[in-house]
Amino acid sequence: EVQLVESGGGLVQPGGSLRLSCAASGFTFSSYWMIWVRQAPGKGLEWVANIKQDGSEIYCVDSVKGRFTISRDNAKNSLYLQMNSLRAEDTAVYYCARHYSYSVDVWGLGTTVTVSS
Amino acid sequence: QTVVTQEPSFSVSPGGTVTLTCGLSSGSVSTSYYPSWYQQTPGQAPRTLIYNTNTRSSGVPDRFSGSILGNKAALAITGAQADDESDYYCALYMGSGISVFGGGTKLTVL
Repeated sequence: EVQLVESGGGLVQPGGSLRLSCAASGFTFSSYWMIWVRQAPGKGLEWVANIKQDGSEIYCVDSVKGRFTISRDNAKNSLYLQMNSLRAEDTAVYYCARHYSYSVDVWGLGTTVTVSS
Repeated sequence: QTVVTQEPSFSVSPGGTVTLTCGLSSGSVSTSYYPSWYQQTPGQAPRTLIYNTNTRSSGVPDRFSGSILGNKAALAITGAQADDESDYYCALYMGSGISVFGGGTKLTVL
């Protein structure tokens, strides 16, 4: 069964850092682009960042550039999102997702990040 | 900045047909934007319905279909059922590796 399981969410103060992880199973992780998508409370979905199979290409939305870094470890079938200089507006459920044909085809269950003092 | 637009809400009767649309604040949607559609019920992760304009994701019933209608992408749901009541999001590929989601449509079946 194809599965994505996120971890690492929690409560952090403004200006703090957090590292999210995503464990992939049931498919050849190294063959796919991977994505982070987030959803603020009561709001819609936002594409945050994605990374090529070998990590050689990375794209991020403007709102997180310079603060968030997406990375992967194909040997561990894992995707990461390092989040620094966190702001209240980064509060959201963060979904790990598999990229296919310019879209998402598999979603994780999400991990919640709350930025508050 | 280009915004992806969707109807905020829509309602359909059980057994009826509804078409949700996905447009651009400036310009027309074409297959080059690789439109995709997602269904989300409260408290759950999204589920992929359609990708690459009109390809159904695995396990999605053929009651759901995607197309380009005029200058927008469209998601048609036929034979609406109670459990189709959800939020529906479209996404358009904007280049540079990034897609942008629309604001979502809340579909009510009543």
